Amino acid sequence: TQLLEQSPQFLSIQEGENLTVYCNSSSVFSSLQWYRQEPGEGPVLLVTVVTGGEVKKLKRLTFQFGDARKDSSLHITAAQPGDTGLYLCAGARSGNTPLVFGKGTRLSVIA
Amino acid sequence: DAGITQSPRHKVTETGTPVTLRCHQTENHRYMYWYRQDPGHGLRLIHYSYGVKDTDKGEVSDGYSVSRSKTEDFLLTLESATSSQTSVYFCAISRGQASTDTQYFGPGTRLTVL
Repeated sequence: TQLLEQSPQFLSIQEGENLTVYCNSSSVFSSLQWYRQEPGEGPVLLVTVVTGGEVKKLKRLTFQFGDARKDSSLHITAAQPGDTGLYLCAGARSGNTPLVFGKGTRLSVIA
Repeated sequence: DAGITQSPRHKVTETGTPVTLRCHQTENHRYMYWYRQDPGHGLRLIHYSYGVKDTDKGEVSDGYSVSRSKTEDFLLTLESATSSQTSVYFCAISRGQASTDTQYFGPGTRLTVL
């Protein structure tokens, strides 16, 4: 059973379109992190959300943590080819246990 | 740049041979991790370490062992490699004092077991 479910698994869109990817769980997390991974490289942190209902913006990317701290979303406005990559969410559970990663959403933005 | 290097970056080996992958960090962080990444499975934790000689299993630890004799090095060993262990292996560190802190990843090692 996957603790963190990401959807969609794959997404291919045209440059300039908007998109939202989701990270859902039945478990509560103390925080949620989003990473982006480009081909041939390791994941790189984009943002951490900590408080239920929190919204963080990173240029054209908007991240939201659900009120109950069980889910999160990433919205990209006016996608660009440079946004292409694998987007991973990772949840921190209570207790000192390692992060739990979702399987990721693979985004392709076509010029 | 979190100062993480992995070696080798690419390796091709045969079934049944032992393989050791090395992760080296330059900043003396407490937590280090080994993951494997496969299509359709995402990142899966193999083992992690919370200090010298302190390690614990992740969700896919069978067939793998680890050692950490120095803070800066975390070794992953496949005692007898199998084709199912063909994967991309990532090492990561946490800069904080909790295993839930942000992770910083190395560049990965692509391992092919024939």
